[in-house]
Amino acid sequence: DIQMTQSPSSLSASVGDRVTITCRASQSISTYLNWYQQKPGRAPKFLIYAVSTLQRGVPSRFSGSGSGTDFTLTISSLQPEDFATYYCQQSYSFPLTFGGGTKVEIK
Amino acid sequence: QVQLVQSGAEVKKPGASVKVSCKASGYTFTAYYIHWVRQAPGQGLEWMGRINPNSGATDFAQKFQGTLTMTGDTSIRTVYMELSRLRSDDAAVYFCARGVSTGTTDSWGQGTLVTVSS
Repeated sequence: DIQMTQSPSSLSASVGDRVTITCRASQSISTYLNWYQQKPGRAPKFLIYAVSTLQRGVPSRFSGSGSGTDFTLTISSLQPEDFATYYCQQSYSFPLTFGGGTKVEIK
Repeated sequence: QVQLVQSGAEVKKPGASVKVSCKASGYTFTAYYIHWVRQAPGQGLEWMGRINPNSGATDFAQKFQGTLTMTGDTSIRTVYMELSRLRSDDAAVYFCARGVSTGTTDSWGQGTLVTVSS
């Protein structure tokens, strides 16, 4: 199985900050990398697929980059509604696997 | 719009089985896989498997082989996830999600809490 490792596991930031979350795969997954956002008590929300393509309706302050084994999710200017936990997920091979999550908290 | 509505919370004893339903609307039901993902309390997301509602073909994560069953009923646009021989560590919120390409899901159900307790 492909292991997905996210860092940091949590971070504190202020509204307006630029935030970067890193995701590393245990082997190359090309560009088969998705990102999800989850708020407490809610289902995950699909944000980005194929590394950098935003799902319809996702604000442009979200962006993704990377290929192979190293990927990043960037929020260019953190907004109050962005405080949540973010998960990366590889869609390269089954079983699908997720990173452990990065919780973005208010500083 | 695409909507997945899951059945309500369940409380089960260890060793029992649980069956969770996921009813789809707003799209061509037979054209998309349905995936199941679970989340233990305070933990991350774990992919369990997927079903092709058109053919009934399934793919499961290795750890669930032998205890997990997925079925579908196209007449009522519903898929079912049944987990047997429940253990305490099966306590989790179970989500269904629509698969839009290999391994990518877009719309998710609201989740079903399964409690396992004697």
